[in-house]
Amino acid sequence: DVKVTQSSRYLVKRTGEKVFLECVQDMDHENMFWYRQDPGLGLRLIYFSYDVKMKEKGDIPEGYSVSREKKERFSLILESASTNQTSMYLCASSLRVRYNEQFFGPGTRLTVL
Amino acid sequence: GQQVMQIPQYQHVQEGEDFTTYCNSSTTLSNIQWYKQRPGGHPVFLIQLVKSGEVKKQKRLTFQFGEAKKNSSLHITATQTTDVGTYFCAEAAGNKLTFGGGTRVLVKP
Repeated sequence: DVKVTQSSRYLVKRTGEKVFLECVQDMDHENMFWYRQDPGLGLRLIYFSYDVKMKEKGDIPEGYSVSREKKERFSLILESASTNQTSMYLCASSLRVRYNEQFFGPGTRLTVL
Repeated sequence: GQQVMQIPQYQHVQEGEDFTTYCNSSTTLSNIQWYKQRPGGHPVFLIQLVKSGEVKKQKRLTFQFGEAKKNSSLHITATQTTDVGTYFCAEAAGNKLTFGGGTRVLVKP
């Protein structure tokens, strides 16, 4: 079974702090994704990566950056956390083939005070 | 960009009844994937539809892709409490998914 793990289930940070969210997958998937999920808005793509050191902006990249130094690990960075970044953050991975399904991690609920 | 709209946003269903949730697009979809997210859980892939008019079944769940490939539906028969959750449709384009807003299903026992 594919396993996608995220470093924290719950995280509380203060405005202005730098925040790191880590994601690790164990199935040698090329693609990795970061989404945020807010009520009524579904899942919105922040960034994705299709290979090591490669990244592309998603629909809402402002205020975020990412890092992919190893194939299995994809990090989301909030350079200066703000209250409007309070959300559920979901990591996912998939094989780099056409129309392939994504496997999601358990999510990190981030609260920025 | 491409938008995928889901209706209804909420669905209250009596246990044992049937219901349908819909996924619509103003442009032709290349494919549709459906995911289920249980309360407190993460999205889990259910199925993918690619062909025009395609119908696939998983036990009490029936998934359909419209003839014009602009809409899709998920029909659940004889709803059970285990069906509680949010159902998302999504279009895969390249390596990315574009998700609809989801239908949150609540089951009344």
